Amino acid sequence: EADIYQTPRYLVIGTGKKITLECSQTMGHDKMYWYQQDPGMELHLIHYSYGVNSTEKGDLSSESTVSRIRTEHFPLTLESARPSHTSQYLCASSGTGVRQDTQYFGPGTRLTVL
Amino acid sequence: QKEVEQNSGPLSVPEGAIASLNCTYSDRGSQSFFWYRQYSGKSPELIMSIYSNGDKEDGRFTAQLNKASQYVSLLIRDSQPSDSATYLCAVGSQGNLIFGKGTKLSVKP
Repeated sequence: EADIYQTPRYLVIGTGKKITLECSQTMGHDKMYWYQQDPGMELHLIHYSYGVNSTEKGDLSSESTVSRIRTEHFPLTLESARPSHTSQYLCASSGTGVRQDTQYFGPGTRLTVL
Repeated sequence: QKEVEQNSGPLSVPEGAIASLNCTYSDRGSQSFFWYRQYSGKSPELIMSIYSNGDKEDGRFTAQLNKASQYVSLLIRDSQPSDSATYLCAVGSQGNLIFGKGTKLSVKP
């Protein structure tokens, strides 16, 4: 079944740790996205990719980095986590072209930095 | 700066009533429009997409699009308590989607 996966679902870590949030999709989509969302607040686009070796920063400045070495995989890395990084991180993917731009979301990773 | 505006609510309706959610957008070149539902603590899930002016119906949901007025709406008929959630309007712009801040809907039994 075509789907989009995120791991871990929940993560609690200490300040200064390096973390990688995983996102994979089996939907055959070229485009992938990372959003950050605090509880009860709006979605903020932090990174996106239109294909392999393509990455762009989104509207919200983020200290995280991303890579796109494989079409189906779009990991997000924080080199040194801080309490201000505590949030929910949502990965999404979509196709390309007219009427292919529907974004489908993964279940999210809830990150808490102590 | 492309924008999508929604009334943040909360919008409270009694069970069985029609809930009407509205959205305006600034990019006249937008061609695709979406409504997502997001339960508290969960990720957004797609309810409807609409690409042409007029109405599109899917079960209890009807999306309405008026490109001339740059206006999208979602009607939920026979509202149920399980419809209580935040509803996000999203508009396609330059290859990405721009999301509104969402309208919180509460359906009272």
